[in-house]
Amino acid sequence: QSVLTQPPSVSGAPGQRVTISCTGTSIDIGAGYDVHWYQQLPGTAPRLLIFGNINRPSGVPDRFSGSKSGTSASLAITGLQAEDEADYYCQSYDSSLSASVFGGGTKLTVL
Amino acid sequence: EMQLVESGGGLAQPGGSLRLSCAASGFTFSSHWMHWVRQAPGKGLVWVARINSDGISTSYADFAKGRFTISRDNAKNTLYLQMSSLRDEDTAVYYCARSREGYNFPKNYWGQGTLVTVSA
Repeated sequence: QSVLTQPPSVSGAPGQRVTISCTGTSIDIGAGYDVHWYQQLPGTAPRLLIFGNINRPSGVPDRFSGSKSGTSASLAITGLQAEDEADYYCQSYDSSLSASVFGGGTKLTVL
Repeated sequence: EMQLVESGGGLAQPGGSLRLSCAASGFTFSSHWMHWVRQAPGKGLVWVARINSDGISTSYADFAKGRFTISRDNAKNTLYLQMSSLRDEDTAVYYCARSREGYNFPKNYWGQGTLVTVSA
């Protein structure tokens, strides 16, 4: 079963911009399946942050943006705030297994 | 207000069984696919299983095949996960989540999770 690859951690100072990468293969992201991103604040359940590669659910600030190219996707956060400190997960689909696949997660630290 | 409330977690012995439930309210449960996703302590999210809207079609992660069974009762607005032959590595918080009908729609609402601990 495929697992998407994310950096274990990223960090940035308040106000800065950070990006989190999500690398897949030709059987998931590269096969054309959408990438979704989730934010998990400490001690809470995940919440949907970006869906369909680039779309934000209502209530998500436009500081968060997503992109996708080839077998990879990225989450960008601009104007970093202390409240953004959380774990971030990408998710796509492996049609060969009919299975959702998650990235290993990236811990964002706001310095 | 939409709600997904998991229950049924607790301590189980290796080789034992446990049934998790997820009670849904505030939306049309029978029109959504449902998923179980787990998170071992200090680890990342791992998809476990999925069931379609009418309960006919299911899919499982490799580690869950043959041991876990996902089911739903649309009359009771409840999702289930029957877990058997439990192993230490099944210890995790189990979340239920909903998505639109169809493949690879985002999991746009999650419950708060229920902790399963497998230990002798």
